Amino acid sequence: KAGVTQTPRYLIKTRGQQVTLSCSPISGHRSVSWYQQTPGQGLQFLFEYFSETQRNKGNFPGRFSGRQFSNSRSEMNVSTLELGDSALYLCASSSLQGPNYGYTFGSGTRLTVV
Amino acid sequence: GDSVTQMEGPVTLSEEAFLTINCTYTATGYPSLFWYVQYPGEGLQLLLKATKADDKGSNKGFEATYRKETTSFHLEKGSVQVSDSAVYFCALRNAGGTSYGKLTFGQGTILTVHP
Repeated sequence: KAGVTQTPRYLIKTRGQQVTLSCSPISGHRSVSWYQQTPGQGLQFLFEYFSETQRNKGNFPGRFSGRQFSNSRSEMNVSTLELGDSALYLCASSSLQGPNYGYTFGSGTRLTVV
Repeated sequence: GDSVTQMEGPVTLSEEAFLTINCTYTATGYPSLFWYVQYPGEGLQLLLKATKADDKGSNKGFEATYRKETTSFHLEKGSVQVSDSAVYFCALRNAGGTSYGKLTFGQGTILTVHP
């Protein structure tokens, strides 16, 4: 069974640019969540999508946005990049119920803003 | 709001030593509790979970018991190996609309095991 796939693994962008990250969940998982991981702030929740609808959002500026497609794949976009956006971005998918309930994470996308 | 507090690290142990990483939480209602592990350069892997009070999660020799009376979910292993060296995160997920898809994490505990 394939895991959660995030692409690309590494990205280097210039301040002011925008970036799009992709996440393919485990087959059958309809919930996809995104997290930002930094040494200073730890793991912080960005947003969650279920059946193409954003159901929850963390405390991040509007430059951070996302979407989910009908096949449950999700993308997140960061516009007008700032140096402080440099982080590991993790996506997680969940079945939300049953004995296998839990969140499976991808390997992440390492974003460096220069 | 919900919060998770883990013991300060880093933790350094010799192989075959006993491991305890403390985790306490603050949450309304009845959250589910998780331990995740992160190896260098990788994402998070679910280590174990417990979904109700007094449940014991276990995996690969690690155990943790959901204690509602002390709001704790301490991670233990009887004999650690060098391969257990990683960062360990305690997390909770609450029920309800404001918690959809959201895990609240502790700050992480770095574990180093020496031969």
